[in-house]
Amino acid sequence: ETGVTQSPTHLIKTRGQQVTLRCSSQSGHNTVSWYQQALGQGPQFIFQYYREEENGRGNFPPRFSGLQFPNYSSELNVNALELDDSALYLCASSSRFRGNYEQYFGPGTRLTVT
Amino acid sequence: EDKVVQSPLSLVVHEGDTVTLNCSYEVTNFRSLLWYKQEKKAPTFLFMLTSSGIEKKSGRLSSILDKKELFSILNITATQTGDSAVYLCAVTGANSKLTFGKGITLSVRP
Repeated sequence: ETGVTQSPTHLIKTRGQQVTLRCSSQSGHNTVSWYQQALGQGPQFIFQYYREEENGRGNFPPRFSGLQFPNYSSELNVNALELDDSALYLCASSSRFRGNYEQYFGPGTRLTVT
Repeated sequence: EDKVVQSPLSLVVHEGDTVTLNCSYEVTNFRSLLWYKQEKKAPTFLFMLTSSGIEKKSGRLSSILDKKELFSILNITATQTGDSAVYLCAVTGANSKLTFGKGITLSVRP
């Protein structure tokens, strides 16, 4: 196990609702990245947080937003949920001091939007 | 835009076989190539490669990178049923985000 934790494990929401997913990074890591993995696809980069600020973003609309806290944990918020947002959401932690090359993943949150 | 292509997309082998998984990439300002194994949820880290021609080994798994031809291979020898999983290849560029391929589904039959 990597020491990266995520909550909740599973979530079912209705289209139009809002959701918050949480991630605690591995000890000693100061950077958190979020990924969306649709069924049968590789993970897609959503954004990365370092020092409580967004540090790079993928091709996701503004209704995907995030936060990082002083203890390096992070939240992913998705507003106005759409059916296509159904996916496994993964967070990965890494150390900027080591170049963020090795990213270690949490167990993921399975989001289903109905 | 950064791109990773893995092949084959799936394969079925028998225990004891040797398999080679392929990964080709295009990335601006290449920094590293990573292999992950994903069984149910979290991808688990296998290897990180940054230099050409240097093989990394861990037990029955090994991997090598060719930065001139822009590809990497992951070899698994003497496969076991526990090797059944999706194998993901990813690259990092200047902004340290991971760009993944679609993954290779490996099924090892007893």
